[in-house]
Amino acid sequence: DVKVTQSSRYLVKRTGEKVFLECVQDMDHENMFWYRQDPGLGLRLIYFSYDVKMKEKGDIPEGYSVSREKKERFSLILESASTNQTSMYLCASSLKGTGKAEQYFGPGTRLTVT
Amino acid sequence: AQSVTQPDIHITVSEGASLELRCNYSYGATPYLFWYVQSPGQGLQLLLKYFSGDTLVQGIKGFEAEFKRSQSSFNLRKPSVHWSDAAEYFCAVGGTGKLIFGQGTTLQVKP
Repeated sequence: DVKVTQSSRYLVKRTGEKVFLECVQDMDHENMFWYRQDPGLGLRLIYFSYDVKMKEKGDIPEGYSVSREKKERFSLILESASTNQTSMYLCASSLKGTGKAEQYFGPGTRLTVT
Repeated sequence: AQSVTQPDIHITVSEGASLELRCNYSYGATPYLFWYVQSPGQGLQLLLKYFSGDTLVQGIKGFEAEFKRSQSSFNLRKPSVHWSDAAEYFCAVGGTGKLIFGQGTTLQVKP
């Protein structure tokens, strides 16, 4: 069965802390994505990666960075967490291609920054 | 600009009633269209997708959607809603590997 896992379901951090959100997929997918989900705004793309060590900015990359050292793992980093980064974070993966590939989602990490 | 609009933020239907969730998109090229569902506390699950061909597509859980190019719409339908369908529904459009999501529609089902 296809699986995308995220390291934590719930996370509480303090303002200014460095935060790591980890995502692992077991489907040998080339593409991986990080989204942020907020009520009334849907999902907004933060960063994505088409290959190992490759990354591209999405629509809202400010305040975030990513790392992809291995094909199966894609990390989202908040260098200095702020309260406006309190949100639900969703990771997804898909096969490479022309856009027809279905994205498979993890269960999400609900991050609270206090 | 590429965008997806789901005009209804919240919809309530009675169990057994029919359902239609609206989705309008703006996309420069031939769109690939998706509907996802998110149950409480869960990630997103694909319900159905449209790439080309027959404009009426069938998905999982008894859902279907119709692509209407002239209206730039991809509305999701179900003839008879079950209590377990209560969830948030997202329409998305893509074509290059990335997806653009709508704001989501929360479905509440009354007994």
